[in-house]
Amino acid sequence: SQTIHQWPATLVQPVGSPLSLECTVEGTSNPNLYWYRQAAGRGLQLLFYSVGIGQISSEVPQNLSASRPQDRQFILSSKKLLLSDSGFYLCAWSVLLAGFSTDTQYFGPGTRLTVL
Amino acid sequence: AQTVTQSQPEMSVQEAETVTLSCTYDTSESDYYLFWYKQPPSRQMILVIRQEAYKQQNATENRFSVNFQKAAKSFSLKISDSQLGDAAMYFCAYRRNSGNTPLVFGKGTRLSVIA
Repeated sequence: SQTIHQWPATLVQPVGSPLSLECTVEGTSNPNLYWYRQAAGRGLQLLFYSVGIGQISSEVPQNLSASRPQDRQFILSSKKLLLSDSGFYLCAWSVLLAGFSTDTQYFGPGTRLTVL
Repeated sequence: AQTVTQSQPEMSVQEAETVTLSCTYDTSESDYYLFWYKQPPSRQMILVIRQEAYKQQNATENRFSVNFQKAAKSFSLKISDSQLGDAAMYFCAYRRNSGNTPLVFGKGTRLSVIA
């Protein structure tokens, strides 16, 4: 069966510091991968998605970036965090079949980021 | 652009009773999927139920069922025999069935279950 991992679970960082959040998926090959952010009391905002190694699409311009160095690894980064980057970050995956994503996304446990 | 609207920020239900959460969406597409996700206090998003737009039959999963009205672009979730563990944020989501399009989420409804 497929599982998705995220770490760290919780992170407190000062403004201006770098960020690296990691997401890995097990039990599937060549998944579509997604990064979402959920601000307090808000819905989910899609940040990035990837259909393959080195292929990243950005949905929202910001000081965050994403990379996919391996098939089942997705990394969210920042060189300098802002206060507004605080939130709950969720990674998700969906199956890629014949070049297209199937309909259902499955989410990881999330990372709670607080920028002070 | 597609949008998903959940007009009830908060709802409450007595244990063992039934509650319905509302969701409407705006799209010009005819082929798409709709989802309800549950986010408990742990904050992990859990898929509750999904509906293919081409299917007229409403999806059901145990105590969870939907009322899908395609012409009205409405997709409500009914929870029967509510349990304390149903207390959570519920998000309605839409996905166009084309290429690698992402999910579009509503802002959520917080459901409280009263013992």
